[in-house]
Amino acid sequence: EIVLTQSPATLSLSPGERATLSCRASQTVDSYLAWYQQKPGQAPRLLIYGASNRATGIPARFSGSGSGADFTLTISNLEPEDSAVYYCQQRFDSWTFGQGTKVQIK
Amino acid sequence: EVQLLESGGGLVQPGGSLRLSCAASGFTFSNYGLGWVRQAPGKGLEWVSAISPNGERTYYIDSVKGRFTVSRDNSKNTLYLQMTTLRAEDTAVYYCAKEYGFRLPFDTWGQGTPVTVSS
Repeated sequence: EIVLTQSPATLSLSPGERATLSCRASQTVDSYLAWYQQKPGQAPRLLIYGASNRATGIPARFSGSGSGADFTLTISNLEPEDSAVYYCQQRFDSWTFGQGTKVQIK
Repeated sequence: EVQLLESGGGLVQPGGSLRLSCAASGFTFSNYGLGWVRQAPGKGLEWVSAISPNGERTYYIDSVKGRFTVSRDNSKNTLYLQMTTLRAEDTAVYYCAKEYGFRLPFDTWGQGTPVTVSS
């Protein structure tokens, strides 16, 4: 089973700052890595697929990078509405999610 | 508009059974893989099961193998999850989700249906 480890657990930043979220896989997942955003009481929303491709309707301030076992989600110019939990997910071998990173906007 | 709508959740005693349904609309149902993802109260997302577009291949997380069965009726645009021998640790909101494509992530999610296993 491929384990995804996300860091940090919580990130507290001010509007306009940049958030950098990490997702590390226990083995290579090539580029089969996605990122989701989940707000309280809502279903997850797909942000990034294929490690670096934005899903339909996702603002350009969200970007993904990485390949193999180390990946990054960057949220530039944070807005209050970006307050949420962010999950990575691999689809290289079966399906697994990371434990999530909570982004708080001060 | 692509939509998924789950139903069938509720309160069940340990050892009991439930069948979840997920009605789909707005896309060609038989062309896409589908999955179930759950979220225990206050916890993260956990993939539970998936099924191929034609229903021939099914996949499960180890903790539900032998207890849960995923199926689909492409004539009714509906996905199912039959859950038996339920345990307290199965308590969660269950989401159905549509895959973006082969080995691609879930691009559409339902609103979720809550399952509580308790005596």
